Amino acid sequence: QVQLQESGPGLVKPSETLSLTCAVSGYSIRSDYYWGWIRQPPGKGLEWIGSMYQSGSTYYNPSLKSRVIISVDTSKNQFSLKLSSVTAADTAVYYCARDRALTASFDYWGQGTLVTVSS
Amino acid sequence: QSALTQPPSASGSPGQSVTISCTGTSSDVGGYNYVSWYQQHPGKAPKLMIYEVSKRPSGVPDRFSGSKSGNTASLTVSGLQAEDEADYYCSSYGGSNNRGVFGGGTKLTVL
Repeated sequence: QVQLQESGPGLVKPSETLSLTCAVSGYSIRSDYYWGWIRQPPGKGLEWIGSMYQSGSTYYNPSLKSRVIISVDTSKNQFSLKLSSVTAADTAVYYCARDRALTASFDYWGQGTLVTVSS
Repeated sequence: QSALTQPPSASGSPGQSVTISCTGTSSDVGGYNYVSWYQQHPGKAPKLMIYEVSKRPSGVPDRFSGSKSGNTASLTVSGLQAEDEADYYCSSYGGSNNRGVFGGGTKLTVL
């Protein structure tokens, strides 16, 4: 059974960098599939942040591209998200998920972690 | 503002069928057969219900079905059950420059 678990600070100050890690168990990131991050502001809809392949190839939402870096650590079977220059608008539940084919089709999800941007 | 347009709410009685629409453009929904649908209960992560317009992942009841016509995709839930009450989101591949676009979500109420 594929399982994903997000971890990272729940509170980030404005203008700083949000950093999250997604630990994957039950499946090797090296094997196949893409791996992505999606966020959901409180009471609002879903937004795709970006996805990556085990080779290190990355694909980002154009609206966030200038502030996002997604990276992989295959030795630890995990991947990470960094979002720079955050503002209150970046407050959201952040999910990591397995992306079936880089087509916004996410079949396994983490439970999500709430990140609040506030001083 | 979401890239894909969904009605904010939908409802039906137990046993009935309800259809939720998802309207995009020829650059996303209309241009590719890569529409997915997700079910999200309060406080939970979304669950994939339909992918590639009409395919169901293992374990998803066949009461859930998907279709597409032009720039509009649809999710139909037949034989409504109380546990179907949730938020539903559509997503679509949006081309090489925007791999993932979501709808704003539809709250389905089982009366």
